[in-house]
Amino acid sequence: RKEVEQDPGPFNVPEGATVAFNCTYSNSASQSFFWYRQDCRKEPKLLMSVYSSGNEDGRFTAQLNRASQYISLLIRDSKLSDSATYLCVVNIRGYQKVTFGTGTKLQVIP
Amino acid sequence: NAGVTQTPKFRVLKTGQSMTLLCAQDMNHEYMYWYRQDPGMGLRLIHYSVGEGTTAKGEVPDGYNVSRLKKQNFLLGLESAAPSQTSVYFCASSYTSGEVGQPQHFGDGTRLSIL
Repeated sequence: RKEVEQDPGPFNVPEGATVAFNCTYSNSASQSFFWYRQDCRKEPKLLMSVYSSGNEDGRFTAQLNRASQYISLLIRDSKLSDSATYLCVVNIRGYQKVTFGTGTKLQVIP
Repeated sequence: NAGVTQTPKFRVLKTGQSMTLLCAQDMNHEYMYWYRQDPGMGLRLIHYSVGEGTTAKGEVPDGYNVSRLKKQNFLLGLESAAPSQTSVYFCASSYTSGEVGQPQHFGDGTRLSIL
């Protein structure tokens, strides 16, 4: 089983729709979680950290479910500019390196 | 504030040639990382460093060497380039905060083609 798994998509959604992605992780010692966004042929950029209590940043909401070992990203009122690949990132307690998922591709359609 | 800067941005090499990719960060980060990203695959860690003078192997270290002589710089070397090393290379850096992982900040990548 992969350490971090994501549905590769693509998720094709109309503008204004709400879309959610999940990311599962296999190591229960995972401590820190992040969502990154990567545009085609560009570098990954931090979208948001994921806290145990869940967190929201504008149209984006991230949640953590430790019992089922997954994190989620919810995007409300999708914009064309949200089209990108969303990477899930997990850090295991005490380790200096993180594990990246292979990403979920989102295409927002006019 | 430049953040993480990678040079060069693009390079084409012939099989067997050597080259060095430079990564520089101005955020006083302790940790630095080199990744490669290939079509349809996620980011794969090549080598990383947790401080000046220290390096460690990642997931795919074969064919690469690294050095961290100064805190702000992390060099990735290809001694004898092979076509399988054609890829996009990303450097990243982050703070350290005990056992809690910190987000990484990425450079904009080096696109390397080996003919």
